[in-house]
Amino acid sequence: DGGITQSPKYLFRKEGQNVTLSCEQNLNHDAMYWYRQDPGQGLRLIYYSQIVNDFQKGDIAEGYSVSREKKESFPLTVTSAQKNPTAFYLCASSIAEHISESDTQYFGPGTRLTVL
Amino acid sequence: RKEVEQDPGPFNVPEGATVAFNCTYSNSASQSFFWYRQDCRKEPKLLMSVYSSGNEDGRFTAQLNRASQYISLLIRDSKLSDSATYLCVVNSRARTSGSARQLTFGSGTQLTVLP
Repeated sequence: DGGITQSPKYLFRKEGQNVTLSCEQNLNHDAMYWYRQDPGQGLRLIYYSQIVNDFQKGDIAEGYSVSREKKESFPLTVTSAQKNPTAFYLCASSIAEHISESDTQYFGPGTRLTVL
Repeated sequence: RKEVEQDPGPFNVPEGATVAFNCTYSNSASQSFFWYRQDCRKEPKLLMSVYSSGNEDGRFTAQLNRASQYISLLIRDSKLSDSATYLCVVNSRARTSGSARQLTFGSGTQLTVLP
């Protein structure tokens, strides 16, 4: 079955630790995205990648880092510099960089990160 | 002003009711529009795209008014299973890139259908 997977589903971190969230897709999508969602709020874009070995900052990139070494994978590292990392993290992918008007994004199941 | 604004609700309606959600967007260059559904503690899932002429999918009807920068979603004969948060999503040209577009999400409208 084609889809997007994220792991782990729940993650607990101590303050001062870096953690890496996994995102894998087998949809052959070129573009991948990371969002953060806080309670009662919409999704905010952290980073996105339109093609392998390239990525761009979104609206709230500070304290996060990404890599895109393979088309299928777009891991997100939450660093100790992120002041308020507790949130629901969602990875998404799309066919391309929204060249078509109807292109949209498809989401993985998310990782819920809690900083203790 | 937020780029995409929705009434947060909650909307509590009885089964069988008709309910309408509204959404406004600020970027007049926005190109395409979507409604996503998000269940509690789950990922958003595409419900339907919104086309200029309006479109219908079963009990769901989406409409777009470009002049007023307004999008709506109508749910008829609501079911218990329709209970969720509905996200209005706009696809606009990215602020940081010349060619890529990004999705901008509203905060969502919460719907609870009561038996």
